[in-house]
Amino acid sequence: LAKTTQPISMDSYEGQEVNITCSHNNIATNDYITWYQQFPSQGPRFIIQGYKTKVTNEVASLFIPADRKSSTLSLPRVSLSDTAVYYCLVGDEYSNSGYALNFGKGTSLLVTP
Amino acid sequence: NAGVTQTPKFQVLKTGQSMTLQCAQDMNHEYMSWYRQDPGMGLRLIHYSVGAGITDQGEVPNGYNVSRSTTEDFPLRLLSAAPSQTSVYFCASSFGQELAEQYFGPGTRLTVT
Repeated sequence: LAKTTQPISMDSYEGQEVNITCSHNNIATNDYITWYQQFPSQGPRFIIQGYKTKVTNEVASLFIPADRKSSTLSLPRVSLSDTAVYYCLVGDEYSNSGYALNFGKGTSLLVTP
Repeated sequence: NAGVTQTPKFQVLKTGQSMTLQCAQDMNHEYMSWYRQDPGMGLRLIHYSVGAGITDQGEVPNGYNVSRSTTEDFPLRLLSAAPSQTSVYFCASSFGQELAEQYFGPGTRLTVT
């Protein structure tokens, strides 16, 4: 599985747009990029997944440049409730390593008033 | 749908004791897995199952056993608890391959003294 690198922590004020970038230099052709969110004392929750260009849903947008060696999770107008840890995962639908997701340490986002 | 349920929510064990953490899902998901999360760390995969009767090891399988006799249930057994197994344990399930959206349970906080 491709290794990912994300900032350990980020701070933001309410109402701002937050962009969390994930590096995955050795991403393979078949790899998808997936982001999860985890609140304290809860299990992670799926946010968004993409392969290339841009994906948007009701929660976030995911930007993936042409070389796919990085991706950016964009959270529009964050609120206090967006304070959480965000994980970037890269994996292959047909990986020979079997069923394994590497969550890493994620990015701890703190939103303040 | 109850989603993914885990019991117990909290547990304290003495070193050497054994116990089973229960996990059940009512979404008819084929894939189920167990993760542990230590303070300041991401999630690490312990064991996973791609269907009833099929299990495999993840990143940190030592000291744990699993079985999958039904689609719904995926219990995790601690054979002889050690302080190093103090952690929060999350069970997850998904409909399809590893990149399918994973649904996580609320977690079990285990302390081994």
